[in-house]
Amino acid sequence: QTVVTQEPSLTVSPGGTVTLTCASSTGAVTSGHYPNWFQQKPGQAPRSLIYNTRNKHSWTPARFSGSLLGGKAALTLSGLQPEDEAEYYCLLYYGSVRVFGGGTTLTVL
Amino acid sequence: QVQLQESGPGLVKPSETLSLTCTVSGGSISSAYWTWIRQPPGKGLEWIGYIYYSGSTNYNPSLKSRVTISVDTSKNQFSLKLSSVTAADTAMYYCAREDIAEAGIDYWGQGTLVTVSS
Repeated sequence: QTVVTQEPSLTVSPGGTVTLTCASSTGAVTSGHYPNWFQQKPGQAPRSLIYNTRNKHSWTPARFSGSLLGGKAALTLSGLQPEDEAEYYCLLYYGSVRVFGGGTTLTVL
Repeated sequence: QVQLQESGPGLVKPSETLSLTCTVSGGSISSAYWTWIRQPPGKGLEWIGYIYYSGSTNYNPSLKSRVTISVDTSKNQFSLKLSSVTAADTAMYYCAREDIAEAGIDYWGQGTLVTVSS
């Protein structure tokens, strides 16, 4: 069974920069996994942020960016604001099947 | 702006079949993968599967034996059936759209909580 691993939690100061990563149990994450990133705040549905590794939706703040880094998918948030405190999930494509990571709880403190 | 809305019973008895419908508005149900995702209380997201408007489907291997996703293009709706449910199937169920060309999930429904209990 394929497992997608994210950092369980990260704490960053306002105005700072943080990189969340997304690893695959099958090996290096590549563009062929079409990484997606989502933000979820308590009591809300997830919101899509990044698709196909680095592409932003029209509503995605400019301070969010996606990339591949050291064999993992990465989501970098710069100029962190208090409203960025949330749970972040990655999603990887494995052919016709999709697998979510376990999520990263980001605290802005 | 595509909008999705889940509907269905909020309470299902153990061993019975969970049935949910997602109504799509603001766009056609063609040219996308229509997806179900769930989230148990306090836990992470789990991809259940998707359907194309033609009726072709793909499912999470761990749920495949119990899941059926169908589509009704005349009503711009797609549906989820999960059989033989247990308490472990208690979750918020979301429907979502996956843009095939862009390789990404973009629009989500607000979710509906389904509790499995006698």
